[in-house]
Amino acid sequence: AQSVTQLGSHVSVSEGALVLLRCNYSSSVPPYLFWYVQYPNQGLQLLLKYTSAATLVKGINGFEAEFKKSETSFHLTKPSAHMSDAAEYFCAVSEHTGNQFYFGTGTSLTVIP
Amino acid sequence: EAGVTQFPSHSVIEKGQTVTLRCDPISGHDNLYWYRRVMGKEIKFLLHFVKESKQDESGMPNNRFLAERTGGTYSTLKVQPAELEDSGVYFCASSLSETQYFGPGTRLLVL
Repeated sequence: AQSVTQLGSHVSVSEGALVLLRCNYSSSVPPYLFWYVQYPNQGLQLLLKYTSAATLVKGINGFEAEFKKSETSFHLTKPSAHMSDAAEYFCAVSEHTGNQFYFGTGTSLTVIP
Repeated sequence: EAGVTQFPSHSVIEKGQTVTLRCDPISGHDNLYWYRRVMGKEIKFLLHFVKESKQDESGMPNNRFLAERTGGTYSTLKVQPAELEDSGVYFCASSLSETQYFGPGTRLLVL
């Protein structure tokens, strides 16, 4: 079974600062990788995904993530945090199309004005 | 296009009672998944339907949980009888290919 690790269950950044949310996975085969965001009282919204094309993936709201096979990582970044980015972020991995997702425990992002 | 919808949004029941959760996937999506998040832990897979057939139910915790997808459209997840440890958020997702689209979840509290 897959294992997904999100380092830091809570991350705080100042408005305008760099956002870096970490995700490492355990797959030995090239996986599909996803970042989802959950705003308060809402469902999971897809931010971006990696499906074996370009290793640097751009998503919505200015977020991007880089797939690094040698480090089995898929960290999420945003150059400048906005107050509206405050939410919980989930990294997910799937081994094949149609297979279940394995999720990390989530990272709650707080943006300080 | 309507997204994945789930009903109810919240449910509070007593231990021993029965609860049925409903999920309506995005129209045309053959794949339907159920997941659960217990407080403070990761979102965990419960089962996967392809149309009306159970493709993978390896994540179902025990036989108190019963999922159905009659006609390959909406799905229900019944918990009978509910136990305290069943409390959590139950998510439904649907897909055509590798990307799963999630509903808002049902928050279940068993007292």
